[in-house]
Amino acid sequence: KAGVTQTPRYLIKTRGQQVTLSCSPISGHRSVSWYQQTPGQGLQFLFEYFSETQRNKGNFPGRFSGRQFSNSRSEMNVSTLELGDSALYLCASSYGGVRAGELFFGEGSRLTVL
Amino acid sequence: DQQVKQNSPSLSVQEGRISILNCDYTNSMFDYFLWYKKYPAEGPTFLISISSIKDKNEDGRFTVFLNKSAKHLSLHIVPSQPGDSAVYFCAASVEEKLTFGTGTRLTIIP
Repeated sequence: KAGVTQTPRYLIKTRGQQVTLSCSPISGHRSVSWYQQTPGQGLQFLFEYFSETQRNKGNFPGRFSGRQFSNSRSEMNVSTLELGDSALYLCASSYGGVRAGELFFGEGSRLTVL
Repeated sequence: DQQVKQNSPSLSVQEGRISILNCDYTNSMFDYFLWYKKYPAEGPTFLISISSIKDKNEDGRFTVFLNKSAKHLSLHIVPSQPGDSAVYFCAASVEEKLTFGTGTRLTIIP
């Protein structure tokens, strides 16, 4: 069974640009959530999608957005990039959510903003 | 406001001894708790979980203890093995929303 796949694995952007990250969940998983990992802050929840609907949202500014497609694949977008957006962005999938099944994480997309 | 705290950024333990990782939380609404392990360049992997209606859950070498009155969670690894060297994150959930701690780097000394 293929795991969670995130693309791209590494990318470098400059301030003011925008970026789109992609996540393909494990086949059959309907929930996709996104996390930002930075040193000292741990993993911070961005949002969760379930069957194409945003079900939960963390405390991030509106520059961070996401969506989920009918095949459960998800994308997140960050507009007007700031230096502080440099982080590892992790995507996780589960069958029904935190309770229904533990999260399976991808390897992450490492974003560097210059 | 860090609702889930792991106050020890790092911990070193001799191989074969017990490793105890601690986690404190402030939100009494959390009703489900999990531990994840993360190796460098990999995503976190699920280790063990516990519901708020229990105070202990065991899975092989891993045991999680929950003290709701103290809002404290701990993970015990016995015996510790070199492959356990990783960053460990505790996480707490309410209404399907997970909040993670900042992680503890565990190093097992051979």
